[in-house]
Amino acid sequence: NAGVTQTPKFQVLKTGQSMTLQCAQDMNHNSMYWYRQDPGMGLRLIYYSASEGTTDKGEVPNGYNVSRLNKREFSLRLESAAPSQTSVYFCASSDQGGLMGTEAFFGQGTRLTVV
Amino acid sequence: AQSVTQLGSHVSVSEGALVLLRCNYSSSVPPYLFWYVQYPNQGLQLLLKYTTGATLVKGINGFEAEFKKSETSFHLTKPSAHMSDAAEYFCAVSGRNYGQNFVFGPGTRLSVLP
Repeated sequence: NAGVTQTPKFQVLKTGQSMTLQCAQDMNHNSMYWYRQDPGMGLRLIYYSASEGTTDKGEVPNGYNVSRLNKREFSLRLESAAPSQTSVYFCASSDQGGLMGTEAFFGQGTRLTVV
Repeated sequence: AQSVTQLGSHVSVSEGALVLLRCNYSSSVPPYLFWYVQYPNQGLQLLLKYTTGATLVKGINGFEAEFKKSETSFHLTKPSAHMSDAAEYFCAVSGRNYGQNFVFGPGTRLSVLP
C-alpha cells in the first residue's frame, strides 16, 4: 500500500519555465490537497479538491493551476515559475475532507527550486 | 480567519526531560485537532488526533495531548524526551469552521540535547 505518491522528488527550474507536479493516492479518498511549506510559515493550502470533478482555491493559489484527473490523481501546474515559488510542495489526501475527523495523509514532498 | 498558533518556533529539551509543545486554535466551535511530526526531508506523519470523547488522547512514540475547550488548546506532551524525537511538529485543525480542508500551525522545531 503506497499511500500518497508524489513525483518528482526534486526539481530545479529556470524562471519562466513551466512544470507539473504529479500526485496519486491509492486509498480511495475523496479529498486531495496541495500545500506548500516555507520556513516559519507551516503548510499553506494552495488548492484542494473536495471530490472528483471539483477544485477550489486555498490560501495561496496565485501562479498555480490544478487538475483532478480522476479520483486517484491530482496534479499541480506552475505555468511560469518564479523564484517566490521555491518551496517544498506536499500533496495530501483525506477520506472525508476533514469534516468527520479523518486525518490527512501526506506524500513525501517535492523540493522545487526556481533560479 | 480561523487560525492555529504554536507558541515557540524552536524548543530545546534535554534527553529524558519533559516535552511540552503548545497549540491554540481560534474557533467558536471546537474543531477536530491533530498533531503531525515531520522528520528531516520527509512528509508529515500523524502522531495523534482528537475528534470526540475522551479529551486526553494518546498517540505513537509515547506522545499524548489534552484537548481543553475552555482554553482552546491542544498541547502535546511526552514525559521523557528521546534523541529520536528531534523533528518538527505541526498542530492542525479541521471541521465545519475550516471548510473541507486542514489548517496548520507554523510548526515547532524540537531539539533534544544529550
